[in-house]
Amino acid sequence: KAGVTQTPRYLIKTRGQQVTLSCSPISGHRSVSWYQQTPGQGLQFLFEYFSETQRNKGNFPGRFSGRQFSNSRSEMNVSTLELGDSALYLCASRIGEDQPQHFGDGTRLSIL
Amino acid sequence: AQSVTQLGSHVSVSEGALVLLRCNYSSSVPPYLFWYVQYPNQGLQLLLKYTSAATLVKGINGFEAEFKKSETSFHLTKPSAHMSDAAEYFCAVSDRGSTLGRLYFGRGTQLTVWP
Repeated sequence: KAGVTQTPRYLIKTRGQQVTLSCSPISGHRSVSWYQQTPGQGLQFLFEYFSETQRNKGNFPGRFSGRQFSNSRSEMNVSTLELGDSALYLCASRIGEDQPQHFGDGTRLSIL
Repeated sequence: AQSVTQLGSHVSVSEGALVLLRCNYSSSVPPYLFWYVQYPNQGLQLLLKYTSAATLVKGINGFEAEFKKSETSFHLTKPSAHMSDAAEYFCAVSDRGSTLGRLYFGRGTQLTVWP
């Protein structure tokens, strides 16, 4: 069974640009969550989607947005990139409410 | 909001020695608890989880953790360290009974294993 797949693995952007990251969850998993990992702030929750609806959001500015499609695949978008957005962005999926989240290998975003 | 404290950002042990990584949570209601491991340039891999069954939880790669409600702790142990255990370990919690999939993570403990 394939795991959580995130594309691309690496991205380099410049300040002011926007970026879209993609996540394909494990087959059958309908919940997808996104996290940002940085050396300074650690692992921080961005948002969660279930059945195409955002049902939880972390404390990030509106420049960070996401969506989920009917096949449970999810994308997150960051607009007007800032240097501080450089991070590893992790996607996780789970099959049920009391089940653990399974993570992809992440997309490493570097802002120049 | 939940919070998780991992005591010791770096732990070093010799190969074959006991591994003990500490995790304390703050919640009046016992949450769901997890340990994840992260190898360089990879995502997080689930080691074990505590939901509500036995307080001693066995995970993969010989790791186990014990839930102690009185101490609000969920420490991770392994009797004998192996070189391949060198990685960063994260303790995480989520609210029991919540439909929301938010995990709260500790700051991580980097484990070094000396030959």
